Amino acid sequence: GENVEQHPSTLSVQEGDSAVIKCTYSDSASNYFPWYKQELGKGPQLIIDIRSNVGEKKDQRIAVTLNKTAKHFSLHITETQPEDSAVYFCAAITNAGKSTFGDGTTLTVKP
Amino acid sequence: NAGVTQTPKFQVLKTGQSMTLQCAQDMNHEYMSWYRQDPGMGLRLIHYSVGAGITDQGEVPNGYNVSRSTTEDFPLRLLSAAPSQTSVYFCASSYSNMGTRHNSPLHFGNGTRLTVT
Repeated sequence: GENVEQHPSTLSVQEGDSAVIKCTYSDSASNYFPWYKQELGKGPQLIIDIRSNVGEKKDQRIAVTLNKTAKHFSLHITETQPEDSAVYFCAAITNAGKSTFGDGTTLTVKP
Repeated sequence: NAGVTQTPKFQVLKTGQSMTLQCAQDMNHEYMSWYRQDPGMGLRLIHYSVGAGITDQGEVPNGYNVSRSTTEDFPLRLLSAAPSQTSVYFCASSYSNMGTRHNSPLHFGNGTRLTVT
């Protein structure tokens, strides 16, 4: 089955700095790669996603890159703010609907 | 729209008891799924459904049953609760047009925190 590895497990940055979280996947049938942000006591919320026919996508301060050949994708957050502090999850999803999540990254942005 | 609604928010069970976690969505989504979230282990897929009348197993299905008799509802049943099932459970749904192989973002509920003693 699919295996998704996410690094780092914790990340602490100074406000205004950039944060990068990386994921690798194993199943070449995965073709959809969303990123979720989870705040305490709530369900994950989608922040950005990318499909296998695209190499990069950007939405304001957030960007995602995908390297299909190497089977890895990354989340980039620029100009971080304290409200970016949360747990971030990557996921790899196949056409058949099977989803596999990474173990999460706890991001702390220090003011 | 209420989105994805999960009930109850909290539940304590004794070992061996049974219960059903409820999940309902009002977005006419075809795809629904259940996950459990344990510390340091992310979200693990328990069961999923690509449409009414269709269910399939995920990564950790043992000890759980599901059914999908309507598009809106996807209950998760624990037949005989065990302490290993202590976790936070999330239900999610998405619009999934399987005919065109187009995956869509998951919408999550706010979770059910289950403790089995």
